[in-house]
Formats: sequence, C-alpha cells, structure tokens
Amino acid sequence: IVMTQTPRSLSVTPGQPASISCKSSESLLHSDGKTCLYWYLQKPGQSPQLLIHEVSSRFSGVPDRFSGSGSGTDFTLKISRVEAEDVGIYYCMQGRHRWTFGQGTKVEIK
Amino acid sequence: QVQLVESGGGVVQPGRSLRLSCAAAGFTFRSFGMHWVRQAPGKGLEWVAVMSYDGRNKFYADSVEGRFTISRDNSRNTLYLEMNSLRAEDTAIYYCVKGYSHGSDYWGQGTLVTVSS
Repeated sequence: IVMTQTPRSLSVTPGQPASISCKSSESLLHSDGKTCLYWYLQKPGQSPQLLIHEVSSRFSGVPDRFSGSGSGTDFTLKISRVEAEDVGIYYCMQGRHRWTFGQGTKVEIK
Repeated sequence: QVQLVESGGGVVQPGRSLRLSCAAAGFTFRSFGMHWVRQAPGKGLEWVAVMSYDGRNKFYADSVEGRFTISRDNSRNTLYLEMNSLRAEDTAIYYCVKGYSHGSDYWGQGTLVTVSS
C-alpha cells in the first residue's frame, strides 16, 4: 500500500492552522472494523512519536490542537494553532497490511 | 514508563553480519507484537520486520527478506534483529517499535548501522 502525503513542506506562522493530507493507494479499513491510519511527529534529533491512531483518536498526552479525520483512502491531520514545539516531520502510516509510511511533511515556523 | 533501548549498531563491511538488540521495560513485553523500523540518513521511515507477541509469526519487508531475522526472548524482555549479507543501502538508524493495535505507540531512540568498506 502506497501512502502519499502533501504538501512535502509547510511554513506556518505561530497561532495559525496547518493541514496535511495523506492518501493511500488502497482502503485502510481492516476486517476488524478499524481504519488503520496513524500519524507520527518526528521532532528534530528524536525518534517518531505517536500523535493520532485509527484516523482520529489522539494518543495519551497529545494536545487537543491536533486532530485527525478521513476515511477509506483520504485522511487529514490538522493543527488548529501551530506552536513552536510542533516543528518537525509529520508522517502518516498505514497498518492494514504490514506498515508503509508517507514521505513526510516538514513543518517549520515562519 | 515504557522504555525501548536499542544496542548493537556500528560500522560493518559489506557482506558481513550484525545483531541488534532491544531491551524493553515498563510494559508486559510478552503481550505485544514488536517491530523494527529503519531510517536511512536524511530519509523517511521504512518498516523492516515484525514478530508477534508469542514469536510464532514474523514478517519481513521485501528489501530484507532472506537476509534479516527477527527474534525475541520474552524471558529477557528483549527483541533482536540478526542482519546478514549487509549492503550499503542497509545503512540507517534502526528503531525498535512497540506494537499498538495495527500500529505502534512507543519507539526507541534507535541505533545507527553503517555499512561501509
């Protein structure tokens, strides 16, 4: 399953919203009823950290300015008000068949 | 809290072997599938392999099938990756990743493997 993220980079003014799109080449709906789409943030010099699981569920400790939506093959991560600590590379990942990742979206602050 | 600590990385010549380890703590290791994911320098993330919680099932990326072997010792809370016939394109940071539903929740800090003559 091929994952395609857009845009590849994003420069955002603090306090402004940001949105990242992720499209999969096949439906991510698993036979168990879960949609296997995850979002991760890799901050500079760190390992990836889970933000969103199963499309729209925020992981423990993730601020509510992060939200995920979508279904089937089209998904979106939104940051309602970008903060300086949100800089890094955002990856979407599918878990329906093995794992594949999007190419990443680099978010920087203007 | 969950801790995943990788070790065993280093510089190795093409064609040689290396064994990575991942020591897990802070959760019931024997209850979760575990993965290896790698990241070449300046590049994105590539899934490498997965082993089920009980060690009965394992799957590999096409790029490493037949060369890499994933294993685990639930009595030692440790995950392994045996890498044989290493190639320059295997150069990457290798992350140990805890399974969560169909994805993952916690990642280790990674260990760097450099394949170079």
